[in-house]
Formats: sequence, structure tokens, C-alpha cells
Amino acid sequence: KAGVTQTPRYLIKTRGQQVTLSCSPISGHRSVSWYQQTPGQGLQFLFEYFSETQRNKGNFPGRFSGRQFSNSRSEMNVSTLELGDSALYLCASRDLAAPYNEQFFGPGTRLTVL
Amino acid sequence: DQQVKQNSPSLSVQEGRISILNCDYTNSMFDYFLWYKKYPAEGPTFLISISSIKDKNEDGRFTVFLNKSAKHLSLHIVPSQPGDSAVYFCAAKKSGGSNYKLTFGKGTLLTVNP
Repeated sequence: KAGVTQTPRYLIKTRGQQVTLSCSPISGHRSVSWYQQTPGQGLQFLFEYFSETQRNKGNFPGRFSGRQFSNSRSEMNVSTLELGDSALYLCASRDLAAPYNEQFFGPGTRLTVL
Repeated sequence: DQQVKQNSPSLSVQEGRISILNCDYTNSMFDYFLWYKKYPAEGPTFLISISSIKDKNEDGRFTVFLNKSAKHLSLHIVPSQPGDSAVYFCAAKKSGGSNYKLTFGKGTLLTVNP
């Protein structure tokens, strides 16, 4: 099976702009989660989607939003970008079939806000 | 409030020796623990996991030990190989329902010297 794919891999934006990141999960995986990785804070959970509904949310401002489509693909949007939003954004998918199951991560999108 | 802590930012070992990476947690609601390995410019790769009903899980060169009373887990790599050089993240999941939110430690950079 192909792994989790994320596009684009690199992105440069300026403060105040908005950005949309895309994630395609592993085939058959219905859950998609998003994480932010920064040097100071490590990996932090943003939100999880399955069945096109947000199921769980981390402690991030409302500028961070997401959605999931019927084919399980997901997008994450950040509006009114701030310098502190510069980070590696990681998408992870998992199979809902078992209660204990690991998440598989994509390569990430490196966002730089200037 | 950091619920998952990896107190050693870095660890250096010789090839062939044992690598021991440690992780402490504070939330007694965590019931599932995972270790991920991350190379630069890649997403985290799942290594091994352990449920809170066990105290040890082994997979090849990797063994994870869980001490619930001490709220401590460790990852043992034997023998260590130069290709194991990477950042290792400990992650934990709370029990209950379909929510799946991983709380990560900040990582330990392992360097295996030839």
C-alpha cells in the first residue's frame, strides 16, 4: 500500500496570508489526524477527523481548521498566518478496525511564514 | 503542563552496545504507549507499542518496558546500529472511546557511533 502523502512538501507564506495543506491517508484508513511540530514544543495534536467529522481537537486557536472528504482525504487550513505558525505539519492516518492501532505519518509539509 | 517527558535531549552510544531511551508520564489515564523514530525531513515512523496491561513488548532488536507504578517506560535497542541514529519520540494515548489523540514527548536524539 502507498503511505500517507502530503502536499505540498514545502511552502513559504507571509504574515496575514492563509494556507491550505492536503493529506491523503493510506488506502482503507478512515481516520486522519494533524500534528504541528516545532523545535520548542515538539509534536502537538491539532485535530482528528473520521467520517468527515472532527472527533477530537487540540489546544490551538480557531485560525486552525480542517475538513475531511468522503474519500477520507483531509485538508488543513490556517488563516491569518503568524510568524509562530512556522512549523512542520504532519498528517497521520490509522485503521479504525481495532481499538489499539498505531498512526502512520506522512512526510509533512514544512511551512515557513515570513 | 507536559504530560509526557523525555528528559534526555540526546544520547550517544557505540555501535553494538545497548541504547536505552527513557520516557516518563504523569497522566494515569494513559493506556497505550508508542515509540516513533524520526529522521530529518521525514515523518515519524512507528517502531513499537505497549498496552498498559503489559509490562514488556519485544520486536526484534527493540523492546519496550512499562512500569506503571513509576509511570515510566523505556525503549531498549540491542544491538545498536548506526542506522538507528534518529530522534525517538515517546507517545501516549488516553483510554476511553474512539478518541485517538497522541501526546508526544519532545524527543531524544540518538547517535550511534561506528
